[in-house]
Amino acid sequence: EAAVTQSPRNKVAVTGGKVTLSCNQTNNHNNMYWYRQDTGHGLRLIHYSYGAGSTEKGDIPDGYKASRPSQENFSLILELATPSQTSVYFCASGAGGSNTGQLYFGEGSKLTVL
Amino acid sequence: GEKVEQHESTLSVREGDSAVINCTYTDTASSYFPWYKQEAGKSLHFVIDIRSNVDRKQSQRLIVLLDKKAKRFSLHITATQPEDSAIYFCAASHSNNRIFFGDGTQLVVKP
Repeated sequence: EAAVTQSPRNKVAVTGGKVTLSCNQTNNHNNMYWYRQDTGHGLRLIHYSYGAGSTEKGDIPDGYKASRPSQENFSLILELATPSQTSVYFCASGAGGSNTGQLYFGEGSKLTVL
Repeated sequence: GEKVEQHESTLSVREGDSAVINCTYTDTASSYFPWYKQEAGKSLHFVIDIRSNVDRKQSQRLIVLLDKKAKRFSLHITATQPEDSAIYFCAASHSNNRIFFGDGTQLVVKP
């Protein structure tokens, strides 16, 4: 079973503070994704990566940076957190290629920005 | 870009009945259509998918239909059980590995 681990699982931050959400996958998948889930909006793609060293902007990248230092790790960075970034964040990995679309999700990170 | 719409935001059925969730997409290049299930307070997990070279796929009580002409696909859950209660997300993707999700359908199976 593919394994994707996120940390922290819960985070309370102050407005203007820096937040880093980390994601680790042990599946040797090339593709990794960061989504946020808000009521009424489903899942929205923030950033994604095709492999170590690559990051791509998704549909809502403003206010977020991403880093993929290795095949296993993909981080989402909020340099100056704002209350509008309060959400549940999901990391996912996928093999791509013929299995494009089949993603394995982490357990989610609930972020509250006060 | 691709836009996936899920037509039912909530769906309530009686245990044992069938449930149908409908989705439409806009990009004719989309070729892969997975479905995900999210139980209350939990993460999403993959349940079934269909590729554009077929129009029907079944896995136990789950059936996925694809109508490429209408750019429409649907998930049918037969003989529903209380443990089927969850949010179901449809999605679409093509060769660039971008996956686009619908907004989710909350399915409630009443005993």
